[in-house]
Amino acid sequence: DARVTQTPRHKVTEMGQEVTMRCQPILGHNTVFWYRQTMMQGLELLAYFRNRAPLDDSGMPKDRFSAEMPDATLATLKIQPSEPRDSAVYFCASGLVRLSGANVLTFGAGSRLTVL
Amino acid sequence: DQQVKQNSPSLSVQEGRISILNCDYTNSMFDYFLWYKKYPAEGPTFLISISSIKDKNEDGRFTVFLNKSAKHLSLHIVPSQPGDSAVYFCAARAPTNAGGTSYGKLTFGQGTILTVHP
Repeated sequence: DARVTQTPRHKVTEMGQEVTMRCQPILGHNTVFWYRQTMMQGLELLAYFRNRAPLDDSGMPKDRFSAEMPDATLATLKIQPSEPRDSAVYFCASGLVRLSGANVLTFGAGSRLTVL
Repeated sequence: DQQVKQNSPSLSVQEGRISILNCDYTNSMFDYFLWYKKYPAEGPTFLISISSIKDKNEDGRFTVFLNKSAKHLSLHIVPSQPGDSAVYFCAARAPTNAGGTSYGKLTFGQGTILTVHP
């Protein structure tokens, strides 16, 4: 079964430290998404890419978050500096999007971040 | 601005009975709606979808109903099983535009925790 792989699964860090989360999307998928799960907002879209090009990152706090896709097998989400309010589960998802039909995204298992 | 809302944070149902999970949306341009299920410590997994031109889609024990005039959809699980206990997310997709920024983007609701008691 093809799967989306995220690392690390768990990260505990102190306020002010840099955090980098990594994602290996499914080979052949043309879109990659970063979502954050919070109690109040559910699954909140942070940023996403089409064919490695950033399409929309309006959901991210730009001053501290950055998302990149250096190659087709790696997407990264970086937080610098981290703050306690960034504590959440971060999900990466990939999908093969076509102009017609429902596009189903496949999610990774998530990276649980705790900022002390 | 929550375009997709699941107003019930939780639902408790007896095994064998029907579970009905609800979802409301505000954007009439959404063209597909999807339901995802999430177990603890795992990522969401796709369950079922429906096109905006349909009003019902069925897959085994799962049926999704869409009422476009009310901007409302629901997921019915019959009969409910203890293994169905999970968080259920409703998601909606804006029309995919090859040149636009909504390419494949899914907007999710807050989720509903379903507990099915034996």
